[in-house]
Amino acid sequence: ILNVEQSPQSLHVQEGDSTNFTCSFPSSNFYALHWYRWETAKSPEALFVMTLNGDEKKKGRISATLNTKEGYSYLYIKGSQPEDSATYLCAFVPYGGSQGNLIFGKGTKLSVKP
Amino acid sequence: EAGVAQSPRYKIIEKRQSVAFWCNPISGHATLYWYQQILGQGPKLLIQFQNNGVVDDSQLPKDRFSAERLKGVDSTLKIQPAKLEDSAVYLCASSLGLAGHSPLHFGNGTRLTVT
Repeated sequence: ILNVEQSPQSLHVQEGDSTNFTCSFPSSNFYALHWYRWETAKSPEALFVMTLNGDEKKKGRISATLNTKEGYSYLYIKGSQPEDSATYLCAFVPYGGSQGNLIFGKGTKLSVKP
Repeated sequence: EAGVAQSPRYKIIEKRQSVAFWCNPISGHATLYWYQQILGQGPKLLIQFQNNGVVDDSQLPKDRFSAERLKGVDSTLKIQPAKLEDSAVYLCASSLGLAGHSPLHFGNGTRLTVT
């Protein structure tokens, strides 16, 4: 059974704090790693699709890194804002199979207080 | 571009009743997915279509769940009969290519409560 772990489960920070989350996934049979942001009452939104070991991606104040050899990815948010409050999901895509079966973690719920 | 459309947003039914969800993907997206997210867990793939063909339905409980994608565009997911453990958010998503290297575009989901 493929397992994707995210930590922490939840995080409460003050506006302006920088924060980071971890996604751990199997280090074998890697094909891709996705990050999504899911705000309450909205649809999950893709942040990054990462495919190569050592990948670093950035979108505004949010960035992510990838280490496929050891099986982890970090998501960083610099200077958190209340609008960053959401659940952040990572999803591992194993090589082979349909490649549509994203294995999601349970998510990290971020709350940013003004 | 218009996003993925899903309906209804909410549905409450009693166990053993039937329910159907509808999804209209982004125009031009050949791949369509149905995911189930039970409270406290990550979304789990139920079924994946490529155009109107099924690519992966290995995690679909086929004794009670069915899905179709007629003409390779809209899709419906049906549960008959529903059980209490089917209470979840049902997410439809589409992608331009296979999801491995293409991001998924999700709808707002249908929150199903089975009482």
